[in-house]
Amino acid sequence: EPEVTQTPSHQVTQMGQEVILRCVPISNHLYFYWYRQILGQKVEFLVSFYNNEISEKSEIFDDQFSVERPDGSNFTLKIRSTKLEDSAMYFCASRAGTRAFTDTQYFGPGTRLTVL
Amino acid sequence: AQTVTQSQPEMSVQEAETVTLSCTYDTSESDYYLFWYKQPPSRQMILVIRQEAYKQQNATENRFSVNFQKAAKSFSLKISDSQLGDAAMYFCASIQGGSEKLVFGKGMKLTVNP
Repeated sequence: EPEVTQTPSHQVTQMGQEVILRCVPISNHLYFYWYRQILGQKVEFLVSFYNNEISEKSEIFDDQFSVERPDGSNFTLKIRSTKLEDSAMYFCASRAGTRAFTDTQYFGPGTRLTVL
Repeated sequence: AQTVTQSQPEMSVQEAETVTLSCTYDTSESDYYLFWYKQPPSRQMILVIRQEAYKQQNATENRFSVNFQKAAKSFSLKISDSQLGDAAMYFCASIQGGSEKLVFGKGMKLTVNP
């Protein structure tokens, strides 16, 4: 069964550095998402992406964050200047079709980002 | 605002027994879906079951069923004949009309004892 994959599984970075988290969504999916989970807290929505545009974003997703689908298979989340509070597990998800309700969002295993 | 609350951080169940995981939610929308996701250790979240808010009938998927109480805004998951492979974090989530985002509860860790 196709799966969403994410690399790396764990990334350690220094505060102020840029990081890029990578995701390969399921191949025929059209909608892509990033969520994050700070340790001990809820999984939070960051952004959704469709047709090479952001379709929805949360208040967390400020100018420090950006997303891109650079080559038709990868979906990336960039954090320009990391802060300590960006330390979290970042989940990528994708879904196939046009109905947000009826389509399942398939999640990747996550990238644990540690900012020192 | 849309919120999902899972008040029990951990539960345990004996193998072959039944366990019920609780979830409450709040939304201002009349059009929404509810979900239970399972996350085994070191694995991705997978969808266990979904419930359309407009349907009165409770969803079932094999050993998994929900008790959807719309007036009480309650959405509990019942796991029958628990198996060792059911051990995982379980997340309750909702999505409402016009939005792309899933809103999650904090999750609950289920342990299955042999």
